[in-house]
Amino acid sequence: GAGVSQTPSNKVTEKGKYVELRCDPISGHTALYWYRQSLGQGPEFLIYFQGTGAADDSGLPNDRFFAVRPEGSVSTLKIQRTERGDSAVYLCASSPDRVNEQFFGPGTRLTVL
Amino acid sequence: AQSVTQLDSHVSVSEGTPVLLRCNYSSSYSPSLFWYVQHPNKGLQLLLKYTSAATLVKGINGFEAEFKKSETSFHLTKPSAHMSDAAEYFCVVRLERGGNQFYFGTGTSLTVIP
Repeated sequence: GAGVSQTPSNKVTEKGKYVELRCDPISGHTALYWYRQSLGQGPEFLIYFQGTGAADDSGLPNDRFFAVRPEGSVSTLKIQRTERGDSAVYLCASSPDRVNEQFFGPGTRLTVL
Repeated sequence: AQSVTQLDSHVSVSEGTPVLLRCNYSSSYSPSLFWYVQHPNKGLQLLLKYTSAATLVKGINGFEAEFKKSETSFHLTKPSAHMSDAAEYFCVVRLERGGNQFYFGTGTSLTVIP
C-alpha cells in the first residue's frame, strides 16, 4: 500500500514569509508525528497527534510553529514569519497506534533565504 | 538530559567484516528502543525494535541488536557488512512518560570499504 507522503518535497522561501507543509499518513494510522532534521543531526520531535488532537506539542520551538490535523488524517505544519534558522528537513511519520514503530515520509526540505 | 547517545559519529568497515554501532540510553522507565536506517535521499526505514520481549532482536538485512538493561545499551550488529549497508543509522528511544516522544540519537554514518 501507499506509504507516508509529504508535499512539497522542496520549499524555498524568503525570510518573514509563511509556509505550509503537508503530510498524508498511511490510511488508518491514528498517530502522526512531525520532526525537524537539521544537517548532520538526528530528527528532533516537534508534535504528536492522536486522532485529531495534538496530544503532545512540547517539541514546537516557539509560537511561530503550529500544526493541525482537522479530520484525523492529513496534517499541515504551519510556520509563520520564517527565519533562516528554520531551514531543515521536516519529516512526518505515522503509526497504527502510540506504541508501535513509526513509518516515515520522505520529508520536505525547507530553505529560508 | 540526553536520552539516547550514539557513541560513534562515523564508523568505517571493510566489506565482509562485522559491524558494530553503539547506542546507550537513559531512562527511569522501561523504554522501547528502535534502530532506523537512512540512505541518501531516502526516507527513514525501521531496522528493528525492542519492546520488552526477547532481549536479542533480529531485524531486516541481517542486522540484530541486544538490549542490555544493566549496561543501558542497545548496540546494533551485523556479522558481515555489505556495500549496500552504507548509510546513516539512528538509535531511537521511546520513553514512557505523559507524552509520546521518540528521541533520536545524533546518528552514526557507516562507510563500507570494498
